[in-house]
Amino acid sequence: GNSVTQMEGPVTLSEEAFLTINCTYTATGYPSLFWYVQYPGEGLQLLLKATKADDKGSNKGFEATYRKETTSFHLEKGSVQVSDSAVYFCALSDGLTGGGNKLTFGTGTQLKVEL
Amino acid sequence: DTEVTQTPKHLVMGMTNKKSLKCEQHMGHRAMYWYKQKAKKPPELMFVYSYEKLSINESVPSRFSPECPNSSLLNLHLHALQPEDSALYLCASSERTGADTYEQYFGPGTRLTVT
Repeated sequence: GNSVTQMEGPVTLSEEAFLTINCTYTATGYPSLFWYVQYPGEGLQLLLKATKADDKGSNKGFEATYRKETTSFHLEKGSVQVSDSAVYFCALSDGLTGGGNKLTFGTGTQLKVEL
Repeated sequence: DTEVTQTPKHLVMGMTNKKSLKCEQHMGHRAMYWYKQKAKKPPELMFVYSYEKLSINESVPSRFSPECPNSSLLNLHLHALQPEDSALYLCASSERTGADTYEQYFGPGTRLTVT
């Protein structure tokens, strides 16, 4: 079956530091890959996505590249801010027989950014 | 507008109560989802509706009963819940379903406490 593995958290960084959150996946076929972010007390927000190999998703200074050869989709940001403190989920999606698209999530990585 | 709304924001109910969670989207999406999220865990898929028909039930206990009255609304009826059902219940929607994958947009969730 499909699975997503994320680096363990929590990750604590100083403001303006470089961020990398590792994500690797196992899937049959050619899934789409996503990063979602969850701020405290809120639902999940789609941060970025990539639908095929070598695609780069980007949003709000965050980037991730779909690497089929290494089955990875690592999240990066050049300079984090305190407001980036949240839990980040890597996920993959493929079509479901009978309808729907099932998201398989990683365990989530909590990021804390300090001044 | 990529907004999914959920009501209520918080709900406390006894084990003998009957209550309902509501979810609404006006993006014209034809797939809607219910997820359950426990603290510090990723969301777990419960149900998928595709074109107002239940397409996926992830072996959810019958004390949870979903309903999709129309393409914009999704309800989750709750009856005789257990304390371990306390969690954040998230609704999501996507443009449609099938072999191509479409990103899911999440609502803010309903924080449910079963006493």
